[in-house]
Amino acid sequence: DQQVKQNSPSLSVQEGRISILNCDYTNSMFDYFLWYKKYPAEGPTFLISISSIKDKNEDGRFTVFLNKSAKHLSLHIVPSQPGDSAVYFCAASPAGGTSYGKLTFGQGTILTVHP
Amino acid sequence: KAGVTQTPRYLIKTRGQQVTLSCSPISGHRSVSWYQQTPGQGLQFLFEYFSETQRNKGNFPGRFSGRQFSNSRSEMNVSTLELGDSALYLCASSLARGQETQYFGPGTRLLVL
Repeated sequence: DQQVKQNSPSLSVQEGRISILNCDYTNSMFDYFLWYKKYPAEGPTFLISISSIKDKNEDGRFTVFLNKSAKHLSLHIVPSQPGDSAVYFCAASPAGGTSYGKLTFGQGTILTVHP
Repeated sequence: KAGVTQTPRYLIKTRGQQVTLSCSPISGHRSVSWYQQTPGQGLQFLFEYFSETQRNKGNFPGRFSGRQFSNSRSEMNVSTLELGDSALYLCASSLARGQETQYFGPGTRLLVL
């Protein structure tokens, strides 16, 4: 039962263009969402997050959009740079309760930005 | 501020042995979560500790255990290692004050032969 899905295993983009990474979730209890970037053999690096009370959050070149009715979020990177090439994971957590400290991750999308 | 540190970074063990991995959280962070990453299963939650207490546990066998010390440092132990335990083990820390971000360490790469 995969509660967080990243249906695109890979994405290839030209430098300077927009990268759009997508994520769908099925658990309506999720109310906090995060994007992480990961290089091989390293830990995930936090990029940006969004709470369910918002539909957009922006930080520099990174913007996350949340569509609660569609249970869908996306990460936009503008402009894309070769250094952005990595695996991107979306993750979700529900509010409190018995889910302390548990993030549920998607399977990841490999982003390649070509110079 | 120093990030999350994990030791050792790499480890090779044989089947049947046990292993202990260590994690030091960001200063001031009181919650430590552990994850296992494998190519087939992705990032899977193992357990979370706060104030030396396990508050949450993922769907892993009892061979996987952990603990947290009074300084918030945490260890995880895997007993009777199996080939399938080969993975990248990640720990993450957070302030534990509600909705918040987890910050990950570099991971320990465990290879079981």
